[in-house]
Amino acid sequence: NAGVTQTPKFRILKIGQSMTLQCAQDMNHNYMYWYRQDPGMGLKLIYYSVGAGITDKGEVPNGYNVSRSTTEDFPLRLELAAPSQTSVYFCASSYPQDTSYNEQFFGPGTRLTVL
Amino acid sequence: ELKVEQNPLFLSMQEGKNYTIYCNYSTTSDRLYWYRQDPGKSLESLFVLLSNGAVKQEGRLMASLDTKARLSTLHITAAVHDLSATYFCAVDIDNDMRFGAGTRLTVKP
Repeated sequence: NAGVTQTPKFRILKIGQSMTLQCAQDMNHNYMYWYRQDPGMGLKLIYYSVGAGITDKGEVPNGYNVSRSTTEDFPLRLELAAPSQTSVYFCASSYPQDTSYNEQFFGPGTRLTVL
Repeated sequence: ELKVEQNPLFLSMQEGKNYTIYCNYSTTSDRLYWYRQDPGKSLESLFVLLSNGAVKQEGRLMASLDTKARLSTLHITAAVHDLSATYFCAVDIDNDMRFGAGTRLTVKP
């Protein structure tokens, strides 16, 4: 299994541009998450999904959108990028039905800079 | 609002010493997770604690959970350089995951 994969690894955007961060998992996990990690800080939850067609806001959803049309994919859309969105973005997945409940498996991250 | 506080935020230890990292949270939960992050890398799951009194051990690390005190600890025994990393606790409230700010551990010879 490839686990959780994210593309791209790095991206530089200009203010006002839009982009989609891709996340895919091949573990048949039904829960997927998007986080951002600012330098020297912990992770903050942006959006999460408990299954295809179901998404919910996390702690910091403003400026982002998500969709979940399949179990495998959970893209994160940035509209009108702002410098405050400069961060490292991590996608994660989990399978709460097993005994480790919501233990999350993380992708390698996307480092985004908005100039 | 759920808040998760870790302390210390920075910890410099000598090899062979013991120390404890603390994770306090503000809302009732019986699901707590510990993760490790190496510089420039992703997060790796260390422990899953799912009930009051839960204790898990892996090598030189031991994690425990006291849901009544809303406190989890990560104890390091006889630290070695390979344990240098940032350690995060995370609390799960109905799938809303909140992470602590992390404890950056440096183990020196």
